[in-house]
Amino acid sequence: AQTVTQSQPEMSVQEAETVTLSCTYDTSESDYYLFWYKQPPSRQMILVIRQEAYKQQNATENRFSVNFQKAAKSFSLKISDSQLGDAAMYFCAYRATYILSNYQLIWGAGTKLIIKP
Amino acid sequence: DGGITQSPKYLFRKEGQNVTLSCEQNLNHDAMYWYRQDPGQGLRLIYYSQIVNDFQKGDIAEGYSVSREKKESFPLTVTSAQKNPTAFYLCASSRDRAPGELFFGEGSRLTVL
Repeated sequence: AQTVTQSQPEMSVQEAETVTLSCTYDTSESDYYLFWYKQPPSRQMILVIRQEAYKQQNATENRFSVNFQKAAKSFSLKISDSQLGDAAMYFCAYRATYILSNYQLIWGAGTKLIIKP
Repeated sequence: DGGITQSPKYLFRKEGQNVTLSCEQNLNHDAMYWYRQDPGQGLRLIYYSQIVNDFQKGDIAEGYSVSREKKESFPLTVTSAQKNPTAFYLCASSRDRAPGELFFGEGSRLTVL
């Protein structure tokens, strides 16, 4: 069975600095999707970034980028120029592409990101 | 604006009572989901529905029930059979059954007294 592990329960970073959140996963599949979701204190979860496994290029969205290492099964999120509004829980998730998976997401336990002003 | 509306935001229940959490979406999405969130754990899937009048159990369906009579609505009932119902409940939707992105509501916090 696939699993997703976020080994850092909490991280802190100084405002304007860069921080990297770690995520590792376990799968025997070659094609899948990986996601980072953000849950700010208001609690509405939103998608930050998505990576398709068959794409070699790392996804980027403004200040957010990923380091996708397929062989190592690692999917870290880098946040550049951290802002106070980045403070949130960040969840890593995996989704298989085959129909027997019912396309359901498998979630990591989350990393709480604290931004120090 | 399109989105997902969950209600109530906070709910208190006495032991032995059933409660129903509402989830409505106006995104015209086919698929809807209910997740449970507990501190220190990832989201756990309770039930999901990929089309109207059909739904499937997720990983922790025991003690919960759902219905999907309308595309827009996917209510969750927490029954008295759920042994530890105090939790944060999140409803989500996706355009189709193979989600490229989930859209979430703001959640409902259920506390059993």
